[in-house]
Amino acid sequence: DAGVIQSPRHEVTEMGQEVTLRCKPISGHNSLFWYRQTMMRGLELLIYFNNNVPIDDSGMPEDRFSAKMPNASFSTLKIQPSEPRDSAVYFCASSDNSNQPQHFGDGTRLSIL
Amino acid sequence: AQSVTQPDIHITVSEGASLELRCNYSYGATPYLFWYVQSPGQGLQLLLKYFSGDTLVQGIKGFEAEFKRSQSSFNLRKPSVHWSDAAEYFCAVGVRGGNEKLTFGTGTRLTIIP
Repeated sequence: DAGVIQSPRHEVTEMGQEVTLRCKPISGHNSLFWYRQTMMRGLELLIYFNNNVPIDDSGMPEDRFSAKMPNASFSTLKIQPSEPRDSAVYFCASSDNSNQPQHFGDGTRLSIL
Repeated sequence: AQSVTQPDIHITVSEGASLELRCNYSYGATPYLFWYVQSPGQGLQLLLKYFSGDTLVQGIKGFEAEFKRSQSSFNLRKPSVHWSDAAEYFCAVGVRGGNEKLTFGTGTRLTIIP
């Protein structure tokens, strides 16, 4: 079975540029989560969707960040404009029920110069 | 709100030795509990989970964890570690009957020495 698929795996760009991270959840999973991981702050939940609807975006750091889930098989996390402090590893995860574990993708390592 | 504490930031053990990683949670009822492992450059992989029933749960790669309600703990154990177990380990708690959010601990980095 295919797991959670994230793209790109690595992204290096200059500050001020728009960055789009992509995620394909496991087929049949109805919840999708975006996390950010840094050495300083650990693993932070940014936003999560249930049945394509954003349920909790309280972890989104600021208006420069936005996330969409246009259908059950695709989600994007966008940063515009990007800043060096956005450099981190961004993970997407999905689950199929509130009492089932989340399955993680391999992450996107983002570097903003 | 629930919280998770992993008191050990870094642990070093010899290959073949036993291992116990500590996890304490704070929540008013019995939560869902998980242990994940993260190898360098990889995402988090589920090791095991506790939902209900037997308080000793078995996971992949020879790991087990025991839920102790009286101590609000869910410690991870392995009787004999292998060099390939070197990784970061995360404990996480979820809320019953609530949303799907998990609260993660800060992680414990495990180093294995020959």
